[in-house]
Amino acid sequence: SQQGEEDPQALSIQEGENATMNCSYKTSINNLQWYRQNSGRGLVHLILIRSNEREKHSGRLRVTLDTSKKSSSLLITASRAADTASYFCATSTGNQFYFGTGTSLTVIP
Amino acid sequence: NAGVMQNPRHLVRRRGQEARLRCSPMKGHSHVYWYRQLPEEGLKFMVYLQKENIIDESGMPKERFSAEFPKEGPSILRIQQVVRGDSAAYFCASSRTGQGAVNTEAFFGQGTRLTVV
Repeated sequence: SQQGEEDPQALSIQEGENATMNCSYKTSINNLQWYRQNSGRGLVHLILIRSNEREKHSGRLRVTLDTSKKSSSLLITASRAADTASYFCATSTGNQFYFGTGTSLTVIP
Repeated sequence: NAGVMQNPRHLVRRRGQEARLRCSPMKGHSHVYWYRQLPEEGLKFMVYLQKENIIDESGMPKERFSAEFPKEGPSILRIQQVVRGDSAAYFCASSRTGQGAVNTEAFFGQGTRLTVV
């Protein structure tokens, strides 16, 4: 299966700390995207990184992509309680987005 | 510019009834995707449509499920004769370009939570 796999499944940190979550996938991709989902809500698009890019920043978010290892990481710096959510990576190839099962992040105030 | 609009937000159906889920893509988007999410799980692809065409329905069950995206109006995901196992959140996403494009971003609706009783 092409489905992405996030690691860890759950992460709990103190407010102000950095949170790092990883995503691995299996086949070549066009791009990789990270989404956030608050409990009971839809997905919010965070950032897209193309297959020829290695790193991308957006505010407190930093995404890296290593196509040789077929992995990506999402770093959230200076975390806030409002960052508490599930984070999914989605790989784009062909006609589909493939989603992993997500990392559940809890930021403790 | 309104985002992807899904309705209803919550839908309760008895076993054997039909469920119709609607999705209006963002303005200017002609590509629509449906996903299903079971509790505590990730999203599972169901179907990808462009206006009036089904491009990829490899994730959709062969029976009872159908999807359309007519020239006018929203995309519809239809589930006939619902069973308890159909209870899930169904998300629709839309994009301006197709998934094969390197810069394609998909934007999601808030989802429809289907409960089959």
